[in-house]
Amino acid sequence: KQEVTQIPAALSVPEGENLVLNCSFTDSAIYNLQWFRQDPGKGLTSLLLIQSSQREQTSGRLNASLDKSSGRSTLYIAASQPGDSATYLCAVLTQGGSEKLVFGKGTKLTVNP
Amino acid sequence: DTEVTQTPKHLVMGMTNKKSLKCEQHMGHRAMYWYKQKAKKPPELMFVYSYEKLSINESVPSRFSPECPNSSLLNLHLHALQPEDSALYLCASKPRLTGGSGANVLTFGAGSRLTVL
Repeated sequence: KQEVTQIPAALSVPEGENLVLNCSFTDSAIYNLQWFRQDPGKGLTSLLLIQSSQREQTSGRLNASLDKSSGRSTLYIAASQPGDSATYLCAVLTQGGSEKLVFGKGTKLTVNP
Repeated sequence: DTEVTQTPKHLVMGMTNKKSLKCEQHMGHRAMYWYKQKAKKPPELMFVYSYEKLSINESVPSRFSPECPNSSLLNLHLHALQPEDSALYLCASKPRLTGGSGANVLTFGAGSRLTVL
C-alpha cells in the first residue's frame, strides 16, 4: 500500500529565502508525482507534475525533482514571497490499475514579510 | 476554458434534506473525480467516472450518489447525511484515465464546503 510522507509539517521563513519541501513515498512503481498548492478553505492548484521517466520539472521560481528509485521528491521554491504562504501537497499516482492519487498530509508554509 | 467549476461554494443542510453538488468542465476531459477533504487532512478519493461511466467507487456510503449526465457535468447527490459528512468536496478532471501514461495533470475545482447540521 502506497504511503506518502511530507516533511516538515510546517515551515516558517523570512521573505526572500530559498526553501525545500520534501516528499517521500514507499512504492516506487508510480506513473507520476504531482505537487499542489492549497490556500485555506480553497481547492487544489496544480503546480508541477513529474512523470516517472522524468527527473525534474520547473515553473518560474519552482523546481520539483524526482528520485523514483529512492522514493523521494523535493519542491524547491526560490526567493520566497508572502504570497507563497499556503499548504503544499505532494501526491503520487501508483501503477497497478488504480486511479487513486495518494496524498501526503502537506507542508504548511508561512513566508513572513 | 481551463477551469473546473463547482457549485454551490457553500451548502448547509439538515440530516433529512436532499441536496446536490455540481461540477462542470469544458476542457473536453473524459475522466472526472469526486474527492472529500476533512479539515487539516489530505483529500480522499470517493468516485471516478470515465466516459460518463462509473469506474471507481471507493466504498462510499449510499447516502452519496454520483451522477454523470454528460461529458461536461458531474453531480453528487446527497441524502440523509450525517454531521461527520461535513467537509470540503472537491471535483477534479483530466483528459482520460491513466492507462499507462502519467502525463495528464489532474485539475481541481475550488470545492464545495458542506456543513451538515
